[in-house]
Amino acid sequence: EPEVTQTPSHQVTQMGQEVILRCVPISNHLYFYWYRQILGQKVEFLVSFYNNEISEKSEIFDDQFSVERPDGSNFTLKIRSTKLEDSAMYFCASKQNTGELFFGEGSRLTVL
Amino acid sequence: AQSVAQPEDQVNVAEGNPLTVKCTYSVSGNPYLFWYVQYPNRGLQFLLKYITGDNLVKGSYGFEAEFNKSQTSFHLKKPSALVSDSALYFCAVSPRYNFNKFYFGSGTKLNVKP
Repeated sequence: EPEVTQTPSHQVTQMGQEVILRCVPISNHLYFYWYRQILGQKVEFLVSFYNNEISEKSEIFDDQFSVERPDGSNFTLKIRSTKLEDSAMYFCASKQNTGELFFGEGSRLTVL
Repeated sequence: AQSVAQPEDQVNVAEGNPLTVKCTYSVSGNPYLFWYVQYPNRGLQFLLKYITGDNLVKGSYGFEAEFNKSQTSFHLKKPSALVSDSALYFCAVSPRYNFNKFYFGSGTKLNVKP
């Protein structure tokens, strides 16, 4: 069964460092998303991406965040200068058209 | 404002008993409705969805959900709970006029005791 894959599974970084989280969505999917979850609590929307551009972003997704789909398969989330409060699980998701989101297993980011 | 409510942070049920996890929504235009389950340190897994048709939809692991248009609710149910059903459950709603958008509830922790 096709799945969304995310790397790394866990990243530890120092405050102020840049982090890139990578995702490979399901191959025939058209819509891509990043969500985050702090300490197993609510799922917070960060950004959605369609047709090679951001379609929507939340207030969390400030200038420190960016997304890219550089090669038609990977979908990356970059945090330019990490803060302590960026520590969270980051989930990538994708979907084909209408219908459900498919989530990856997440990347745990720990900022020290 | 569009929103999804899961009024219970936690639901406790004994194994073998029926379970219900509640979800109500305030999203206009006959939205699509979804339930997801999350096990510890895992991603969200799709359980079931309502698009159209029969108000009772069946999904994975014996779960079902009942759509009630007048009450704008989409409660998750299972006739007989298992200890292995213990997890975090999220309701999600996507407007038909903007199916790119998803609104998630805050999650309900289901505890099934042996």
